Amino acid sequence: EAGVTQFPSHSVIEKGQTVTLRCDPISGHDNLYWYRRVMGKEIKFLLHFVKESKQDESGMPNNRFLAERTGGTYSTLKVQPAELEDSGVYFCASSVTANTGELFFGEGSRLTVL
Amino acid sequence: GNSVTQMEGPVTLSEEAFLTINCTYTATGYPSLFWYVQYPGEGLQLLLKATKADDKGSNKGFEATYRKETTSFHLEKGSVQVSDSAVYFCALKGGSYIPTFGRGTSLIVHP
Repeated sequence: EAGVTQFPSHSVIEKGQTVTLRCDPISGHDNLYWYRRVMGKEIKFLLHFVKESKQDESGMPNNRFLAERTGGTYSTLKVQPAELEDSGVYFCASSVTANTGELFFGEGSRLTVL
Repeated sequence: GNSVTQMEGPVTLSEEAFLTINCTYTATGYPSLFWYVQYPGEGLQLLLKATKADDKGSNKGFEATYRKETTSFHLEKGSVQVSDSAVYFCALKGGSYIPTFGRGTSLIVHP
């Protein structure tokens, strides 16, 4: 069974540019989460999808970030325009149920904004 | 709100040494507690968990006991190996659907 896959693994962009990160969850996992880890700090929650619906987007830092999950399968996270403070590792995770807290993570997408 | 505090790293040990990585938490109610591990080049994976007070989670020689009186969930292993070198994340899940993670503690084990 394929795990959670994320693309790209690393992206380097200039301030003001746009980047789109993609996450393919484990097949059959209705719950999809985006997290971000900045400079060795906490892994901070961004948002949670249940199928195609945004269940909780309280962690999205501002309106430069847009997440979608059309059709309830893969998800994209777009940053437009990117700022220096957006640099970090963006993790995607999925789970069958949201009740247990047991998540399956991808390897992360490292974003560097210059 | 919920939060997790982990000890600063890196923790550097020699092979076969005893490991403790401290984790304390703040949460309302009775959260479930977790340790995740991230090996180099991989995603985080669940290492062990405990769902109620005094429960002990264990896996791969690692153990952690849910201590409600001290709000702690310290990770221990009696004899570490080079292959245990990784980043370890403490996490909790309270009443909401959103797990909260700590900052991670890097472990480096030398032969």
